[in-house]
Amino acid sequence: QLQLQESGPGLVKPSETLSLTCTVSGGSISSSNYYWGWIRQPPGKGLEWIGSFFYSGNTYYNPSLKSRVTISVDTSKNQFSLKLVSMTAADTAVYYCARQGRASGHWFDYWGQGTLVTVSS
Amino acid sequence: DIQMTQSPSSLSASVGDRVTITCRASQGISNYLAWYQQKPGKVPKLLIYAASTLQSGVPSRFSGSGSGTDFSLTISSLQPEDVATYYCQQYNNGPWTFGQGTKVEIK
Repeated sequence: QLQLQESGPGLVKPSETLSLTCTVSGGSISSSNYYWGWIRQPPGKGLEWIGSFFYSGNTYYNPSLKSRVTISVDTSKNQFSLKLVSMTAADTAVYYCARQGRASGHWFDYWGQGTLVTVSS
Repeated sequence: DIQMTQSPSSLSASVGDRVTITCRASQGISNYLAWYQQKPGKVPKLLIYAASTLQSGVPSRFSGSGSGTDFSLTISSLQPEDVATYYCQQYNNGPWTFGQGTKVEIK
């Protein structure tokens, strides 16, 4: 059974950089059939796609966040990471990692449990 | 970006009622639409993809329809465990975008 697990700090100071890691078990992030992505959800609000990557190195970012986001991958650890710079209170959210279909369709079928990140001094 | 607009924003219905949620895209997206269910405090769960294909393990009381710009999610007989917020997501063109959600409650 595929499982994803986010890890990282729960509290980040304004202007600092958020670094989160998603560890995947029960499947390989090097699969040619899937993208792997990050989605966030501010408290009490809806879902926002942050970005996705394909194991070969292609990355895709939401233009609204593109200037501040980097997604990287460590295939040896079956992990991928999110880096978001210049954090503000508006970035306070639950951050999810998820598997995303590739050729078949770009829906998100497996999600991590999510990690709440609060931006506060 | 393609904007996804859901209606209503919330609804209250009785157990056994037929419930329909609509999702409208700001431009045509063929059938590249997914629906998710998020129960309170839980992770979003994929219900339907390709507008009408039920994800494995999802009860058959859930169904989806539509193409182009107008889509719907129907629960044929509302159950207490269906209390949740439902989101649509388009995957026709990046950036992938979600509707604002429809909260379903039991009357």
